[in-house]
This record gives sequence, C-alpha cells and structure tokens, in this order.
Amino acid sequence: AQSVSQHNHHVILSEAASLELGCNYSYGGTVNLFWYVQYPGQHLQLLLKYFSGDPLVKGIKGFEAEFIKSKFSFNLRKPSVQWSDTAEYFCAVNDGSWGKLQFGAGTQVVVTP
Amino acid sequence: NAGVTQTPKFQVLKTGQSMTLQCAQDMNHEYMSWYRQDPGMGLRLIHYSVGAGITDQGEVPNGYNVSRSTTEDFPLRLLLAAPSQTSVYFCASSLLAGEGEQYFGPGTRLTVT
Repeated sequence: AQSVSQHNHHVILSEAASLELGCNYSYGGTVNLFWYVQYPGQHLQLLLKYFSGDPLVKGIKGFEAEFIKSKFSFNLRKPSVQWSDTAEYFCAVNDGSWGKLQFGAGTQVVVTP
Repeated sequence: NAGVTQTPKFQVLKTGQSMTLQCAQDMNHEYMSWYRQDPGMGLRLIHYSVGAGITDQGEVPNGYNVSRSTTEDFPLRLLLAAPSQTSVYFCASSLLAGEGEQYFGPGTRLTVT
C-alpha cells in the first residue's frame, strides 16, 4: 500500500525565515501530488498540485514545491514566511485510482513575530 | 456557490448512540468522500463515492455507513458510536476522482463519551 511521510511534525520559525517541508511517498507508478493547508479553525485548502510537466510548481501565497521523481519526494518551500502562514500543512498523493488520496500525518508550522 | 457544506459543526454523543453527519455540495461533482482527522495521523479516508448509487470503502470504514442517492448529498452514518470515533470529520468533493482537486467542507467535531 502506498504511504506518505512528512519529515517534521512540528516546525517553529521566525517571520522572514525560509520554510521547507519534506514529503516522501512510497509508490512506484504515476502519481498526482498535492499540498493542502489548514489554517487554525478552518478547513483544508489546496496550496498547489502536480500532475505532470514542469516539476517545479507554484501555488498560492508564494509557496512552491519541487517534484523529484528519483527521490519520490515533493517538498514544499517558501522563501520568506509570515505570521499568517501559521497552519498545518498536509502532503497528499493520489495514484490516479478512484478515491485513493493518501495524506501524510501533517506538519504543524508556527511562525513567531 | 456554497461549495461543500457539513452539518452539524459540533456533536456530542454517548457510546452506543447513532447519528448521521450531513454533507452536501452544489458544484455538480461526481466524486465525494469522507475523512476523519486525528492528531498525528493526518486525514484517513472512511468511504467514498464516484457517483450517485456507487460507494466504496476507504482506509477506515468500520463503524460507518454511507449512501449516495443524489449527486449533491453524501451522508455518513455512525451506527453504534464508540469513543474511538471521537474525531473531526471532513467531507470533500471533486470533479474528477483521480486528478481533481478536492474541495473540503468545514468539518464536524464529534465527541463520543
């Protein structure tokens, strides 16, 4: 069965620091990759997605992610975080089959002023 | 568009009680799903549906039933509530099951005592 691993469960950083969240998956075939964000008290929203093409994808709010097929990774980055980026971030993988979106455990990011 | 709506937002049940969590979407999406979110475990798929009259089990289906009589509605039934079902439940929908972005509802926080 496919699985998704997020390297950090909890990250604390200061405003203007750079952020990188790791995501690895275990599936050898074609995959669709997603990063979702959940702000405090809110539901999940899509940050960005990768289906095919340029492995560097840009999402909303200045986030980007790079798909490295050889490493089965889809790491999320933001060059300079803001306090409003405090949220929980989830990596998710779908192998294209019906209903099989697999989520990682999530990374709680806290940005301090 | 209201998007994906869920009711109720909060619910407390006693062990052994039953209830139905409601989910509706007005985007004419064929694919709908139910997840539960538990700390440190991300989101786990309970049941999903690829269209009216078609449902299937996800990763953690035990103790839950679903039906899909219309495209818009996808209720989740807890038959005999147990404390292990204390969780936050999210409904999601998407246009395409494999590649589509999933749109999430605001969630239902359920406590079983």
